[in-house]
Amino acid sequence: AQSVTQPDIHITVSEGASLELRCNYSYGATPYLFWYVQSPGQGLQLLLKYFSGDTLVQGIKGFEAEFKRSQSSFNLRKPSVHWSDAAEYFCAVGPSGGSYIPTFGRGTSLIVHP
Amino acid sequence: DVKVTQSSRYLVKRTGEKVFLECVQDMDHENMFWYRQDPGLGLRLIYFSYDVKMKEKGDIPEGYSVSREKKERFSLILESASTNQTSMYLCASRPGSGNTIYFGEGSWLTVV
Repeated sequence: AQSVTQPDIHITVSEGASLELRCNYSYGATPYLFWYVQSPGQGLQLLLKYFSGDTLVQGIKGFEAEFKRSQSSFNLRKPSVHWSDAAEYFCAVGPSGGSYIPTFGRGTSLIVHP
Repeated sequence: DVKVTQSSRYLVKRTGEKVFLECVQDMDHENMFWYRQDPGLGLRLIYFSYDVKMKEKGDIPEGYSVSREKKERFSLILESASTNQTSMYLCASRPGSGNTIYFGEGSWLTVV
């Protein structure tokens, strides 16, 4: 069975500092991997996704993520955080093809200090 | 852009009431989903549908039912609302040949 672990429930950073949010997955084959962001009171917006190819994936809002098969990780990064990045971030994993159902992590809440 | 619309953003219902949460997507997606989101628990799948009139139970279907009479519309039904169903409900859709899920803005339901 597939699973996703986001080890950090909360992360606090200062505005302008770099950010890394961790995501570890468990899946037998090559997974499809996603990062979503949820602003307060809103639905989830796709930040980026990895299906195959280059393991460093660029997304919207200046985010990137790196797929590391050896570590079963798909960590999200941003070099300089803005106050508007404060939100909940969800990692998700899904098998390729078919009528798959993705599995979501429990989320990491990002707090940005001025 | 894909648009998933949840018509009711905020609802307050009484215990025992029948509640309908409506979701419409405008991109002809085959697959539609209903999730429940609670603090510390992330997203939990209630039901999904991969075609009109087809439905499958997710992880937490108890106390819920769904209806999909048209491809673009997926309704979540609480037959008899209870206070433990107070939550944020998220609808989502995905094309049959694609892998990205698109979410609506969510419906906040309070059962008193």
